Amino acid sequence: AQSVTQPDIHITVSEGASLELRCNYSYGATPYLFWYVQSPGQGLQLLLKYFSGDTLVQGIKGFEAEFKRSQSSFNLRKPSVHWSDAAEYFCAVVGSNSGYALNFGKGTSLLVTP
Amino acid sequence: GAGVSQSPSNKVTEKGKDVELRCDPISGHTALYWYRQRLGQGLEFLIYFQGNSAPDKSGLPSDRFSAERTGESVSTLTIQRTQQEDSAVYLCASSLQGYETQYFGPGTRLLVL
Repeated sequence: AQSVTQPDIHITVSEGASLELRCNYSYGATPYLFWYVQSPGQGLQLLLKYFSGDTLVQGIKGFEAEFKRSQSSFNLRKPSVHWSDAAEYFCAVVGSNSGYALNFGKGTSLLVTP
Repeated sequence: GAGVSQSPSNKVTEKGKDVELRCDPISGHTALYWYRQRLGQGLEFLIYFQGNSAPDKSGLPSDRFSAERTGESVSTLTIQRTQQEDSAVYLCASSLQGYETQYFGPGTRLLVL
């Protein structure tokens, strides 16, 4: 079954520093991949998605992600982190278990320090 | 336009009681999903509705869980005889079609005492 792994439970970065959140997927064919962000008390918001085509995907809030088939990865990046980026980040893949239901990773909690 | 809405936003109940959670999808969205998010965990898929097709209930954790959807509108998730392990945030999402981006509601936080 399709699944994603987010190896880092917590990450701390300084404001203004670059950020990379890791996501590895398990899927035989070309996966549909997503990154969502969940801020405290907020619902999930889609940052970006990859279905096919260009492997470098641009999203909202200055985020981007690169699909690397050879590494089974879809890492999320941002060149300069803002304090408002502190949140929980989830990588997800469309599973084959049911329609287009998403299989989520366990999430990475991002803390931004001054 | 209006996003996905869910009610109530918070629900506290006693073990053994039944609860109903409501989801109003974005108008025109044919696909609707329910997920559960336990504390410190990722989201678990529960059930999927697509148009008037029979729902896929493969993610429901037990027969105490059920859900209904009227056409392409409101959905209710019912948990009977609630247990403490049912405490979680229940999230609803809708999409234009099954393969389209899913838009999530704010969730219902359920606490079973």
